[in-house]
Amino acid sequence: ETGVTQTPRHLVMGMTNKKSLKCEQHLGHNAMYWYKQSAKKPLELMFVYNFKEQTENNSVPSRFSPECPNSSHLFLHLHTLQPEDSALYLCASSQELGNNQPQHFGDGTRLSIL
Amino acid sequence: GENVEQHPSTLSVQEGDSAVIKCTYSDSASNYFPWYKQELGKGPQLIIDIRSNVGEKKDQRIAVTLNKTAKHFSLHITETQPEDSAVYFCAASKDFNKFYFGSGTKLNVKP
Repeated sequence: ETGVTQTPRHLVMGMTNKKSLKCEQHLGHNAMYWYKQSAKKPLELMFVYNFKEQTENNSVPSRFSPECPNSSHLFLHLHTLQPEDSALYLCASSQELGNNQPQHFGDGTRLSIL
Repeated sequence: GENVEQHPSTLSVQEGDSAVIKCTYSDSASNYFPWYKQELGKGPQLIIDIRSNVGEKKDQRIAVTLNKTAKHFSLHITETQPEDSAVYFCAASKDFNKFYFGSGTKLNVKP
């Protein structure tokens, strides 16, 4: 149990669908992250939130829309995705930004775009 | 930005042998270097980390060394066991928790 829970674990969707990924952390952390993990590529940082405020958008296409209603929850809303968006999407959390802290990862959502 | 290179991409060792994974980084301002282990179907799990004011850190069978001058750091696993088989990732960060990850090393420990 990592303290970071992601749902669903697997998601298959068509390119015209709209779906959302959910992340919840039970560690009392204030910073949350979305990463994309594709085969044979380094983890790609997508978004960073600190105390519910977005601090980083790493040039992510607008078909990915994050939402952070509070420090414990993070969502990634998906719409009109492309086949190259198929990947493992990982959520992570850390105590805070501004002072390097370990990031704790969930087990990810495996997304397949048909 | 930072560029982290990790070698080898795959590593196969006999149970009981040692395994070494190496990473280099490009930004001399990087000051935090975590290592993660990712098992099949799981997310990356932090196994050890080191900050730039320390040259070496050990935790049981795992150790990490850092050479700031050469800008490289290494993960050492001694007395490897089959349960050490996984993908290992290094990362570098200089501030605000923006991690730059290596491309991973798949470690296979043969019984």
